[in-house]
Amino acid sequence: AQTVTQSQPEMSVQEAETVTLSCTYDTSESDYYLFWYKQPPSRQMILVIRQEAYKQQNATENRFSVNFQKAAKSFSLKISDSQLGDAAMYFCAYRSGGGSQGNLIFGKGTKLSVKP
Amino acid sequence: DAGITQSPRHKVTETGTPVTLRCHQTENHRYMYWYRQDPGHGLRLIHYSYGVKDTDKGEVSDGYSVSRSKTEDFLLTLESATSSQTSVYFCAISESDGVSGANVLTFGAGSRLTVL
Repeated sequence: AQTVTQSQPEMSVQEAETVTLSCTYDTSESDYYLFWYKQPPSRQMILVIRQEAYKQQNATENRFSVNFQKAAKSFSLKISDSQLGDAAMYFCAYRSGGGSQGNLIFGKGTKLSVKP
Repeated sequence: DAGITQSPRHKVTETGTPVTLRCHQTENHRYMYWYRQDPGHGLRLIHYSYGVKDTDKGEVSDGYSVSRSKTEDFLLTLESATSSQTSVYFCAISESDGVSGANVLTFGAGSRLTVL
């Protein structure tokens, strides 16, 4: 069975600085997708970024980028120029490439605080 | 906007009573999901549906049943609620991300259930 591990329950960053959130996963599959979701205090789950395993190029969405290391099964999220609005829970998630389109396996989350 | 509405958004009930949570979507998505979120566990899949009257179990399905008689509605029922089912419940749909065609989950706003 696949597992997702987020080893940092809490992280803190100064406004305008850069922070990296860690995620590792375990799978024997070769076709899969990885995601980062953000959950602010409003509780809404918001997709931040996604990565297809077959793509070597790291995904980027504005200030958010990932470091995808397939051999190491690592998928970290880098937030550049951190803003107060980035404060939230961040969840890493895994989905198999086949089968159901949305059976996501989530990590336990990392709570990010942003200091002004 | 995936047009996902969850109801009720908040509910307090007593142990042993039946509870039904409703997820309504307006865009004819085939796949719908119910997840629960608990501290220290991230989100875990309860049940999902891949069409009208087509449902399957997820990781934590015990004590829950689902029904989907119409494409737009996916109901989650707790036949006899227990305190261990106190949680935040999220409905989700699977849709194309509009860029690569990869499917991503879009979540509703969540329903907080407290079982006393």
